[in-house]
Amino acid sequence: QKEVEQNSGPLSVPEGAIASLNCTYSDRVSQSFFWYRQYSGKSPELIMSIYSNGDKEDGRFTAQLNKASQYVSLLIRDSQPSDSATYLCAVVHAGGTSYGKLTFGQGTILTVHP
Amino acid sequence: EAGVAQSPRYKIIEKRQSVAFWCNPISGHATLYWYQQILGQGPKLLIQFQNNGVVDDSQLPKDRFSAERLKGVDSTLKIQPAKLEDSAVYLCASSTQGGPQHFGDGTRLSIL
Repeated sequence: QKEVEQNSGPLSVPEGAIASLNCTYSDRVSQSFFWYRQYSGKSPELIMSIYSNGDKEDGRFTAQLNKASQYVSLLIRDSQPSDSATYLCAVVHAGGTSYGKLTFGQGTILTVHP
Repeated sequence: EAGVAQSPRYKIIEKRQSVAFWCNPISGHATLYWYQQILGQGPKLLIQFQNNGVVDDSQLPKDRFSAERLKGVDSTLKIQPAKLEDSAVYLCASSTQGGPQHFGDGTRLSIL
């Protein structure tokens, strides 16, 4: 089992729709979770962080965390073509020899078409 | 606030040659990371520094890769000798202790 796993994609949604990106993780005691956006040929850019169960909203972005299910998601409302990018889920390990280490998922490619 | 600076942006070398990358983190960020990102994959941590000490280098291929951060500020990553499978983007990131990581633009390495 991969430490951080994302839905494989690619994901294609029409402009104005809701894009839903999902991520599961294996380290049960992880406490910090991040979503990064990476445009083609660019470096990852932090867009959301979440640390507590529930929802966290920032503009058109909502991160959802369920530690019992070891699941974190990102919703993008009113998707725009400029949201087309690879979205990376990242989890900070909280136990064992990997304490503090950030592990990334493989990324989900999102395409928003006009 | 100036971001993480990396150089060069691109590098093309032949296999078995050596190459070095440089990173200057955001001012005040004690933690510095080097990642390798192969096309179509997420970044993989190679080494993490806290000030000038190594915190984690468990995924660094130590037979060919080395990194240093002698004064606790900027850092260099070296590959010697390079293999074809080292073709990737090498990303440097920095953070305050426990804070989110901020990435530089990366160095795109191609091995011929």
